[in-house]
Amino acid sequence: QAVVTQEPSLTVSPGGTVTLTCGSSTGTVTSGHYPYWFQQKPGQAPMTLIYDTSNKHSWAPARFSGSLRGGKAALTLSGAQPEDEAEYYCLLSYSDGRVVFGGGTKLTVL
Amino acid sequence: EVQLVESGGGLIQPGGSLRLSCAASGFTVSSNYMNWVRQAPGKGLKWVSIIHPSGDTYYADTVKGRFTISRDNSRNTLYLEINSLRTEDTAVYYCLGAPIGVWGQGTKVTVSS
Repeated sequence: QAVVTQEPSLTVSPGGTVTLTCGSSTGTVTSGHYPYWFQQKPGQAPMTLIYDTSNKHSWAPARFSGSLRGGKAALTLSGAQPEDEAEYYCLLSYSDGRVVFGGGTKLTVL
Repeated sequence: EVQLVESGGGLIQPGGSLRLSCAASGFTVSSNYMNWVRQAPGKGLKWVSIIHPSGDTYYADTVKGRFTISRDNSRNTLYLEINSLRTEDTAVYYCLGAPIGVWGQGTKVTVSS
């Protein structure tokens, strides 16, 4: 089964910009992996920010965007706010029908 | 409003069985890719299973043979049947509807004697 990798932790300053990445052990991540990005805060259910690489949910703040970058899926946060401190997970779908989550990135806004 | 509501969790002894439900409103289960995802205490999200609109089903290697995903189109509800429960199955179980990515609030399963 494929392994999906994310940075374990990242720190961003308030108002700053940070990019989280999502790589696959099978090689380059493409739009065919239908990358998703989720935000989860302690004690809460996850919330979808981005689906199918770059489609943003209506409830996702405009400061979040999704893309493909350097063979990986990427989530960019521009203008970080204190409320963006959370765990972020990516998800990739594979041609064998299975789906794999990344290990998550703990984002600190400090 | 699109909503998914899970139910059926609880405290179960090892070796027992359980059926989790995910009732949908404002969202058609049979037309979407419906997933079960679990999260063990203090751990990350783990994908468990998916059922496609075609009815095709897929499972993570760790649960294949013990878990069965299904749906009832008339009830617009997704299910997960779990057999031979192990302590390592203890987790919050979420349903996730794709492609738009709608989540339920989760149902907690605790496997303990």
